[in-house]
Amino acid sequence: DAGVTQSPTHLIKTRGQQVTLRCSPKSGHDTVSWYQQALGQGPQFIFQYYEEEERQRGNFPDRFSGHQFPNYSSELNVNALLLGDSALYLCASSLAYGGAYEQYFGPGTRLTVT
Amino acid sequence: QKEVEQNSGPLSVPEGAIASLNCTYSDRGSQSFFWYRQYSGKSPELIMSIYSNGDKEDGRFTAQLNKASQYVSLLIRDSQPSDSATYLCAVLDSNYQLIWGAGTKLIIKP
Repeated sequence: DAGVTQSPTHLIKTRGQQVTLRCSPKSGHDTVSWYQQALGQGPQFIFQYYEEEERQRGNFPDRFSGHQFPNYSSELNVNALLLGDSALYLCASSLAYGGAYEQYFGPGTRLTVT
Repeated sequence: QKEVEQNSGPLSVPEGAIASLNCTYSDRGSQSFFWYRQYSGKSPELIMSIYSNGDKEDGRFTAQLNKASQYVSLLIRDSQPSDSATYLCAVLDSNYQLIWGAGTKLIIKP
């Protein structure tokens, strides 16, 4: 049973650039949530996708956008990167219904903005 | 602003003892509560979920929920050095959004 996968593992970008992170959910899951985690802090909710639509969004600017594909995989796009965007980006998958809202995380993508 | 509060620690516990981790939350409409373990540089791993008042046991782990006091805790019995990690409390609020605490760093001393 494949777990949540994310790519790439690490990424270094320059201020102003754009980045795309990818996530494949756990087998059988249909919902993908994205989080940003700075060092020493809990995950901060960016948004959640279900049925290819953004279902919920946290307090992040429009520079952060996403997409979910028919196979439930998802992308997180960040435009006009700032130094403060450097963080661990986590993808979590879950079942929209009947899954008790348990979220399972991928290994994360470490983004460094220089 | 809905909040989940945890003591940041570090909490130092001797090997073999019971580690007690605590979490409080502000949204009275919250229904689901989760404990995650996160090793340094790794992603969070779900270790316990609890939905009703009382205790829920799974191996060496026991989650305790008191909705009246808006309090959830995690007990780890017979603590092992491998339990050293940051423990994150997450609460599903009344809008079905997961709200996270900042985590408690646990250190098990051999």
